[in-house]
Amino acid sequence: AAGVIQSPRHLIKEKRETATLKCYPIPRHDTVYWYQQGPGQDPQFLISFYEKMQSDKGSIPDRFSAQQFSDYHSELNMSSLELGDSALYFCASSSGNQPQHFGDGTRLSIL
Amino acid sequence: AQSVTQPDIHITVSEGASLELRCNYSYGATPYLFWYVQSPGQGLQLLLKYFSGDTLVQGIKGFEAEFKRSQSSFNLRKPSVHWSDAAEYFCAVVSGYSTLTFGKGTMLLVSP
Repeated sequence: AAGVIQSPRHLIKEKRETATLKCYPIPRHDTVYWYQQGPGQDPQFLISFYEKMQSDKGSIPDRFSAQQFSDYHSELNMSSLELGDSALYFCASSSGNQPQHFGDGTRLSIL
Repeated sequence: AQSVTQPDIHITVSEGASLELRCNYSYGATPYLFWYVQSPGQGLQLLLKYFSGDTLVQGIKGFEAEFKRSQSSFNLRKPSVHWSDAAEYFCAVVSGYSTLTFGKGTMLLVSP
């Protein structure tokens, strides 16, 4: 079965640079979620979208923004990157009340 | 606010022995509860979920969990652990619109 696809799998950036992470949800899933997982930490919710509209917002820094496009894929845009942004970024998708299915994540390293 | 507590940071179990991972939640109404497993550098895989109904839920890979409202618990169990079960396990509760709040995770180590 198709799963959540995230790209790239790994990304290395320097401080103050920008990054764009992409997420392709499972077909027919209408909700996309973004989570950030720091080293040795639990995943922290950043933001979610339902039918291309922002549905909930968590601990997402102002330097980050996200959107969901007409084909339901989502992008997380990160600017003025800081060392503390180094983490694993997960995208998850769901439909209705069904559980969220997670992608394999993008590992972002800031040098 | 909804929260989840996993009191054990790591647990070591002998291969073939039984396993129980603890999870306590804080939520006013009937919670939606989940267990996810994460192998190093990998994504989160759903093991099982509880929405309502039967308080003993079966999941994949031989795992089960029991919802106990009186104890605010949703402990994960497996009768016989395999070396491939070594991973980090996260308990989670739905909060907000439908987002997940995770516990801090329990790292399971399996000894020969």
